Amino acid sequence: DAGITQSPRHKVTETGTPVTLRCHQTENHRYMYWYRQDPGHGLRLIHYSYGVKDTDKGEVSDGYSVSRSKTEDFLLTLESATSSQTSVYFCAISEQSSNQPQHFGDGTRLSIL
Amino acid sequence: AQSVTQLGSHVSVSEGALVLLRCNYSSSVPPYLFWYVQYPNQGLQLLLKYTTGATLVKGINGFEAEFKKSETSFHLTKPSAHMSDAAEYFCAVSSNRDDKIIFGKGTRLHILP
Repeated sequence: DAGITQSPRHKVTETGTPVTLRCHQTENHRYMYWYRQDPGHGLRLIHYSYGVKDTDKGEVSDGYSVSRSKTEDFLLTLESATSSQTSVYFCAISEQSSNQPQHFGDGTRLSIL
Repeated sequence: AQSVTQLGSHVSVSEGALVLLRCNYSSSVPPYLFWYVQYPNQGLQLLLKYTTGATLVKGINGFEAEFKKSETSFHLTKPSAHMSDAAEYFCAVSSNRDDKIIFGKGTRLHILP
């Protein structure tokens, strides 16, 4: 299995608080992705990174920011969490883009009350 | 823009019967196509992928898929269902012009004893 660790695995917080999710990889892959998974919507891309300090938006980026200061770490931040951001968040990595498969972490279940 | 449509959010088959999960894609350039499987409380795992070459692709756990350009389809099949195949399955599309993979909304496969 690809070495991907997401932390925390579960989190409950209140509306308006900041939240940071961490994705750590040991594979030295260039690409890293953050998705959210919601019933009836499948996986939707939030942000992705194609190198250190190189990031781009996905289809549901509003309300989220990311940072990648090291190859191995990709952080997802909710500056002021809202109940609509309650979801399961997945990190994925890929050695190259497009034709290479993505390897997924086990997810973070985030509940915002 | 690329897109993926998975027909049927839920599919039920009897143990030992044929599994057929349908996926149609839209892409203006040659696509790369993937099937992933997700077991409860886990991330997605790659089942198989098509990039170029042979249109019939064999994957893990006895699954295979056939790329049919004329029908813009990439249906997933398995000759004989097993109870352990119960999971959610995602079809995905990408291309050599994109850093991102677009996922379908998923099909939950139920295996009846």
